Amino acid sequence: NAGVTQTPKFQVLKTGQSMTLQCAQDMNHNSMYWYRQDPGMGLRLIYYSASEGTTDKGEVPNGYNVSRLNKREFSLRLESAAPSQTSVYFCATRDRYSQETQYFGPGTRLLVL
Amino acid sequence: AQSVTQPDIHITVSEGASLELRCNYSYGATPYLFWYVQSPGQGLQLLLKYFSGDTLVQGIKGFEAEFKRSQSSFNLRKPSVHWSDAAEYFCAVGEAQGGSEKLVFGKGTKLTVNP
Repeated sequence: NAGVTQTPKFQVLKTGQSMTLQCAQDMNHNSMYWYRQDPGMGLRLIYYSASEGTTDKGEVPNGYNVSRLNKREFSLRLESAAPSQTSVYFCATRDRYSQETQYFGPGTRLLVL
Repeated sequence: AQSVTQPDIHITVSEGASLELRCNYSYGATPYLFWYVQSPGQGLQLLLKYFSGDTLVQGIKGFEAEFKRSQSSFNLRKPSVHWSDAAEYFCAVGEAQGGSEKLVFGKGTKLTVNP
């Protein structure tokens, strides 16, 4: 039972390159989230998915797209990376039966040069 | 809109000393409240949560928090800090009704523990 897994753990991109961050969960949770964490800013929600087939924008969606491939997987895509997207990205899932509790993956560190 | 304020960016305590991390929230209805901990290079781990009932909640690793509606606060406490408690702590608020999907996080408090 791995919980929430994220790949890759670390990535370096050049400005303008694209990449997809992958998230998978084996907790059978309906809701999944992508956050970014920057020093002094806490966690800010990028996108979320309440269930398979639905996605919604969070606080900072610009420059990102998401895909809820199935119940287990939720990917985050940067089409044209910018230095401002250098951050640590966390995927989370929500247990609807446990008062909004969210469970986090280990994170992906992204550096855009 | 919901908001969470953690007034202390960085706190330093000695090992064995008591600890209190402050959290204030802004939310109209009864909130769900959470404390998460993040060790360096790691993801976030749930310490404890409040959603109803007893306003003093116990969590893992000897932490507790008290919900005070009149002060819109949910402060985290530990009677005796261990060196392994050095980490960053995040308070978060979620809606208690309506099935809202989102949490709002504070900006975090970094805890340093001196030997």
